[in-house]
Amino acid sequence: NAGVTQTPKFRVLKTGQSMTLLCAQDMNHEYMYWYRQDPGMGLRLIHYSVGEGTTAKGEVPDGYNVSRLKKQNFLLGLESAAPSQTSVYFCASRGTGVVTEAFFGQGTRLTVV
Amino acid sequence: AQSVSQHNHHVILSEAASLELGCNYSYGGTVNLFWYVQYPGQHLQLLLKYFSGDPLVKGIKGFEAEFIKSKFSFNLRKPSVQWSDTAEYFCAVSSSASKIIFGSGTRLSIRP
Repeated sequence: NAGVTQTPKFRVLKTGQSMTLLCAQDMNHEYMYWYRQDPGMGLRLIHYSVGEGTTAKGEVPDGYNVSRLKKQNFLLGLESAAPSQTSVYFCASRGTGVVTEAFFGQGTRLTVV
Repeated sequence: AQSVSQHNHHVILSEAASLELGCNYSYGGTVNLFWYVQYPGQHLQLLLKYFSGDPLVKGIKGFEAEFIKSKFSFNLRKPSVQWSDTAEYFCAVSSSASKIIFGSGTRLSIRP
């Protein structure tokens, strides 16, 4: 099973450029999440989705947009990248059963110069 | 709003020492609690989880955690650490609103 797959794995952007990170899961999970990981700050929730066609803001949503047009995909967009968005981005998915945990992708290392 | 505090930012231990990592959360309702581990260069993997029932939860690789509701704590323990336990450890909390909020993480370094 592929689980949660993120593309790309690495990317360097210039300030002001835009890009989209793709997250795909094959576990038929309802919930999907985007986090950023920065040294000393843990994982901070950017946006999340509780089902196809829904999105909600997390702890640090500014500068990002998301879309969940298909249940298996959750896209994270940066319209105008800034150096402060240099980070490692993790996508996760989770089922809606009683005892469920989140499954994570391998991460995307993004550098904005 | 939910929040999670991990007070130990970096812990250094010798092999065979006992480990306890602190985790406190703030949320008044029913919560689900998790500990995840991130080995160098890898993604997060689940160590253990608590949803209900016995407050002492056993996970993989000899880890366990105790949920103390009155203290809003979910501390991670291991009786005897190994060099291979070198990693970053994250506590997380999820409420019925489906968000999962993580703490800032504790880096564990094990001296051979």
